[in-house]
Amino acid sequence: KQEVTQIPAALSVPEGENLVLNCSFTDSAIYNLQWFRQDPGKGLTSLLLIQSSQREQTSGRLNASLDKSSGRSTLYIAASQPGDSATYLCAVRANSKLTFGKGITLSVRP
Amino acid sequence: EAGVAQSPRYKIIEKRQSVAFWCNPISGHATLYWYQQILGQGPKLLIQFQNNGVVDDSQLPKDRFSAERLKGVDSTLKIQPAKLEDSAVYLCASSTNRGPGELFFGEGSRLTVL
Repeated sequence: KQEVTQIPAALSVPEGENLVLNCSFTDSAIYNLQWFRQDPGKGLTSLLLIQSSQREQTSGRLNASLDKSSGRSTLYIAASQPGDSATYLCAVRANSKLTFGKGITLSVRP
Repeated sequence: EAGVAQSPRYKIIEKRQSVAFWCNPISGHATLYWYQQILGQGPKLLIQFQNNGVVDDSQLPKDRFSAERLKGVDSTLKIQPAKLEDSAVYLCASSTNRGPGELFFGEGSRLTVL
């Protein structure tokens, strides 16, 4: 059974800092991995999707990497802004099932 | 392009009452998902439809939850009777059958059971 872990559960950083959010998974036979953002009281917004054959994907200030062999993905946020404050979830697709982590709640202080 | 639409956004009911949530996926998306998200947790899949057929409902509490997707478009999720532990956000998502299967979520329906 696939398990997805995101540690720490919460993170607070000053504005402008570059930061890395971690996601680990137990079964490396994955199809793809997707990072989402969730604002309070809202649904999930897709940020980046990495196929199993890819090493990384970039969108603006966001960069997601994937290391299947070690069961890890990281979401890199450059020059963080208060507007980046939200919960970030990763989800792993394997055997047609999507398994979510519990998310990391990020707070960027002005 | 319109996103995934859900209603109602909020619902408060008493235990043992019934409630229904509605979802309209992105046009052309054959796959539709219902997730339950309890506060502080990641979403948990309740049921997955491919067109109007059920692909996975292994985590759906079938004694009280039911879902249908008539005509392979809109879907309804019903809870009857509701329990206190059903208080959660119910998220609908959709994806295409082509490509990587990226999921797109609606805003969710927040249920409070008193």
